[in-house]
Amino acid sequence: DAGITQSPRHKVTETGTPVTLRCHQTENHRYMYWYRQDPGHGLRLIHYSYGVKDTDKGEVSDGYSVSRSKTEDFLLTLESATSSQTSVYFCAIRATSGGPGDTQYFGPGTRLTVL
Amino acid sequence: RKEVEQDPGPFNVPEGATVAFNCTYSNSASQSFFWYRQDCRKEPKLLMSVYSSGNEDGRFTAQLNRASQYISLLIRDSKLSDSATYLCVVPRGGSQGNLIFGKGTKLSVKP
Repeated sequence: DAGITQSPRHKVTETGTPVTLRCHQTENHRYMYWYRQDPGHGLRLIHYSYGVKDTDKGEVSDGYSVSRSKTEDFLLTLESATSSQTSVYFCAIRATSGGPGDTQYFGPGTRLTVL
Repeated sequence: RKEVEQDPGPFNVPEGATVAFNCTYSNSASQSFFWYRQDCRKEPKLLMSVYSSGNEDGRFTAQLNRASQYISLLIRDSKLSDSATYLCVVPRGGSQGNLIFGKGTKLSVKP
């Protein structure tokens, strides 16, 4: 258990409304990630953070913004939700493995439906 | 070659069977690889890490062929509880530790 929680776990919203998803971790990991998962596409990186106030874009960042004001919290915001953003959103942390590669551990996910 | 490519399946096997999944990757500089397991409507969970030629953990064996840029996952004596989607994961490269996830291979173990 990597101590990652996501909120809300489920959300239904309407097109055009802003939505913020929260990821919270309890183990002081430096790196945090937001992914979306859709049928036929697998997991795709939206944004990631490598420290407080340090963030960067992933492969599908359009329409999303992020903020990290504290080590433990990484927020994903959809400024104006669209139906194409209906998806399952996973947060992840990077854990140092001691080997040549660091792996990631995931939160339980948020199911977002945009009507 | 795609960054990470897996046979999507589904693989339908009886209990007790041996099943193997394959994965090819394009980044020849990758040093570490991972297999994740994802149950329906759940988050992906790390199953195995592969750093050298292979790794074994009980009924699960992961093998790496760097020359062919190919990773495999072998499951012996399949259990009903092995039913899940198995994701092949490769580092993207660079210092940020970003990973590239395959789309997954679905396994269904039947009684």
